Amino acid sequence: QVVVTQEPSLTVSPGGTVTLTCGSSTGTVTSGHKAYWFQQKPGQAPRTLIYDTSNKHSWTPARFSGSLLGGKAALTLSGAQPEDEAEYYCLLCYSGPWVFGGGTMLTVL
Amino acid sequence: EVQLVESGGGLVQPGGSLRLSCAASGFTFSRYWMTWVRQAPGKGPEWVANINQDGGAKYYADSLKGRFTISRDNARNALYLQIYSLTAEDTAVYFCEGGAAADYWGQGTLVTVSS
Repeated sequence: QVVVTQEPSLTVSPGGTVTLTCGSSTGTVTSGHKAYWFQQKPGQAPRTLIYDTSNKHSWTPARFSGSLLGGKAALTLSGAQPEDEAEYYCLLCYSGPWVFGGGTMLTVL
Repeated sequence: EVQLVESGGGLVQPGGSLRLSCAASGFTFSRYWMTWVRQAPGKGPEWVANINQDGGAKYYADSLKGRFTISRDNARNALYLQIYSLTAEDTAVYFCEGGAAADYWGQGTLVTVSS
């Protein structure tokens, strides 16, 4: 069973920069995993921020960016805002089925 | 306006079955893969299954294979999820999602499995 790992929690100061990562138990995360990143706030459905590793939707704030970093998928937030406090989940494709990571609770403090 | 509206959730007894529906509007449903995602109370999302544009390709989470069946009706702009042999571990909000890149999400339908 594939396991996708994320940091359970991170804290960033307002205006600061933070990188969330997404690793795979199968090894290096590549562009072939088509990493997605979602933001979820309490009581809401997830909202897609990043798709195919680094592509943004029209609604994705410019301060979010996706990449591959050190064998993992990464979501970098540059210039954190209070409204960015949320749970963040990554999703990786495994040649058909997809697997979510366990999520990172991001606190802006 | 794009809408995905899930229905069919509710209270079901262990061992029972359920069919969830997702009604799509505001976009060309037949052009996109569609996906079911579920989220147990207080937990992260779990990818369940997806289906390609004409229903000819379907993928399921390894842990759920055999009890879940995804299907679609492009004429009705509808996505379905049939779930068999329900257990308490299936208690969750079930979301449908679609679009070119997970653009669209419904608000979910709650399935509670309890006697």
